Amino acid sequence: QLVLTQSPSASASLGASVKLTCTLSSGHSSYAIAWHQQQPEKGPRYLMKLNSDGSHSKGDGIPDRFSGSSSGAERYLTISSLQSEDEADYYCQTWGTGIGVFGGGTKLTVL
Amino acid sequence: QITLKESGPTLVKPTQTLTLTCTFSGFSLSTSGVGVGWIRQPPGKALEWLALIYWDDDKRYSPSLKSRLTITKDTSKNQVVLTMTNMDPVDTATYYCAHKRSGCFDYWGQGTLVTVSS
Repeated sequence: QLVLTQSPSASASLGASVKLTCTLSSGHSSYAIAWHQQQPEKGPRYLMKLNSDGSHSKGDGIPDRFSGSSSGAERYLTISSLQSEDEADYYCQTWGTGIGVFGGGTKLTVL
Repeated sequence: QITLKESGPTLVKPTQTLTLTCTFSGFSLSTSGVGVGWIRQPPGKALEWLALIYWDDDKRYSPSLKSRLTITKDTSKNQVVLTMTNMDPVDTATYYCAHKRSGCFDYWGQGTLVTVSS
């Protein structure tokens, strides 16, 4: 069964960097995923598509501070030079055998 | 510029059928590889994928909700319609439609909150 696992919460200081993780279930380590950001009281915003080899393509207007990388079944979202507006929920998403799957989301707090 | 907007009732009664419309612009749902999906989010909870329709009218549904969902498209009107039968208070959520290409939902609507209550 295709499942995406995310830590419920993360925190980092203003101006620092943070790395969020999305883990693909066993047998699905080759899957690409997408990262989405949801700021408080707003709808989701597509950040990027992240492939198993770490290559990624970002959505319209996504700053260079956002980058992605991969290792095995892990997919990472790194946000550098954290700003207050980066405080949000981050969801990973994939598509496999005709169904869409979302991770449970990580709530990022900027200290 | 791709935009999507959801419309439909804000309040439905238990056991009723919900009908939501996604009206989009900036792309054609007759373009190969393109899809439009529906995703919902109960208050304070995570995103949940519901259904998707492709340019060739291929339709996909969440296995857990398949018996209650129907998705259709009207390419000439640039609209996708989702119906969900037998609504229950647990279906209270913000419902989003989104453009899908290459496995990703890359453009989202603003969402519409649907409350299920008698």
